[in-house]
Amino acid sequence: KAGVTQTPRYLIKTRGQQVTLSCSPISGHRSVSWYQQTPGQGLQFLFEYFSETQRNKGNFPGRFSGRQFSNSRSEMNVSTLELGDSALYLCASSSGSPSGGADTQYFGPGTRLTVL
Amino acid sequence: DAKTTQPPSMDCAEGRAANLPCNHSTISGNEYVYWYRQIHSQGPQYIIHGLKNNETNEMASLIITEDRKSSTLILPHATLRDTAVYYCIVRVPQGSNYKLTFGKGTLLTVNP
Repeated sequence: KAGVTQTPRYLIKTRGQQVTLSCSPISGHRSVSWYQQTPGQGLQFLFEYFSETQRNKGNFPGRFSGRQFSNSRSEMNVSTLELGDSALYLCASSSGSPSGGADTQYFGPGTRLTVL
Repeated sequence: DAKTTQPPSMDCAEGRAANLPCNHSTISGNEYVYWYRQIHSQGPQYIIHGLKNNETNEMASLIITEDRKSSTLILPHATLRDTAVYYCIVRVPQGSNYKLTFGKGTLLTVNP
């Protein structure tokens, strides 16, 4: 089974621009979560989508948004980029079983975003 | 905030067992303990998880104490490629699903 894929792998943008990152989950997985990793803050949860609906959201400003398509692929968008948005953005997929329990998240390789 | 405590770093000789401890004294009865590792600038890799019983898979073993307040990840024969940051995570329920809260983890260095 193919793993989680993320595109692009590397991206350079300038302040004020916007960016869209893409994530394709493992086949059959319906939940996609996004995380931001920076040297200062570590790995932080952004949001989670299940069946095209945002189910959970972390403490990030409204400039960070996402969506999920009917095939479970997900995109996240960051508008009005700031220097502090430079980070590794990680996507993780899981079955998303609403009963919870041991629903393991599997991570993609990440997208390295650099804001100049 | 993360509800786990791990040593910031550990060393291990190649071929020896690596035992990585984790304290999670406030864990609730329905919370799982998960272990991931991250090799520099790559996505975290799932290793193993458990609830109450000890678990083993092809990568590692997870030993959970009877009171569930701590656990140990065991890599039975560490290799240089096991050098990574290891994260112990207690799965926190949030709303209708679960999120992963990562702490700083343990940097395991496997030495030749």
